[in-house]
Amino acid sequence: EAQVTQNPRYLITVTGKKLTVTCSQNMNHEYMSWYRQDPGLGLRQIYYSMNVEVTDKGDVPEGYKVSRKEKRNFPLILESPSPNQTSLYFCASSVTGGNEKLFFGSGTQLSVL
Amino acid sequence: ILNVEQSPQSLHVQEGDSTNFTCSFPSSNFYALHWYRWETAKSPEALFVMTLNGDEKKKGRISATLNTKEGYSYLYIKGSQPEDSATYLCARNQAGTALIFGKGTTLSVSS
Repeated sequence: EAQVTQNPRYLITVTGKKLTVTCSQNMNHEYMSWYRQDPGLGLRQIYYSMNVEVTDKGDVPEGYKVSRKEKRNFPLILESPSPNQTSLYFCASSVTGGNEKLFFGSGTQLSVL
Repeated sequence: ILNVEQSPQSLHVQEGDSTNFTCSFPSSNFYALHWYRWETAKSPEALFVMTLNGDEKKKGRISATLNTKEGYSYLYIKGSQPEDSATYLCARNQAGTALIFGKGTTLSVSS
C-alpha cells in the first residue's frame, strides 16, 4: 500500500532532550516536506526536500534540522526542544513537488514540557 | 511569505444545502493551487490540484474552479452530507519554493 509512515504518533518530552520524528514513504517520491499545525495558524512548512541531499528551509525552520540521505526517509530532528515546539507535525511527500498532490503521514502530536 | 487567505473561517449548514468556499492568493508567479480535505483525527487528503486559469475539476459532489489572473479559487459542495464535515485547506505552490497553506474553512453539516 502506498503510504507515508510517520512515527511516533504521540510524544511527550522535556525541554532540551533531543528527539527525532521519523518519516518514510514507499512511493519513490522525490519531494518530501515537514509541516506543523498550530491552532489559528494553519499548516506551516518547516523544511522541504526536492531530492536526496537537497533540503531547503520553509517558513518556520528555527529549532529544527532535517536530513535526506536516502530517497525514502526524511527525519525531523529537534536538537533541543522547547515548549513553543509543542505542536501537531505532519510529514508529506509528492512525486516532484510541483503540481502533484501531497500524501500526508498520520501526524505526530508532540508535547514539550 | 505569499499569503493564502480562505473564507469563511467556518460555516454550519444543514444536510442537503449546497455551499462554497473561497481561496484567495497572490496571482504573480503562479504554479499550482491545491485543495485538501482534512477530517478530525485524520491526515489531510488531496481533492484537487489545478494549474491552468479557468480549470474546473469535479469529484463526486465536490467541484472547484480556478482564476489565476485575479488570484482566487472556489470550492463547491453540492447537497452537503454529514460526512462532508471537515476542514478544507487550499495551498498555493510557486515553482521551486514552499507550498503555502491557508488556514482552512471548517464545515459542519447537520443532519
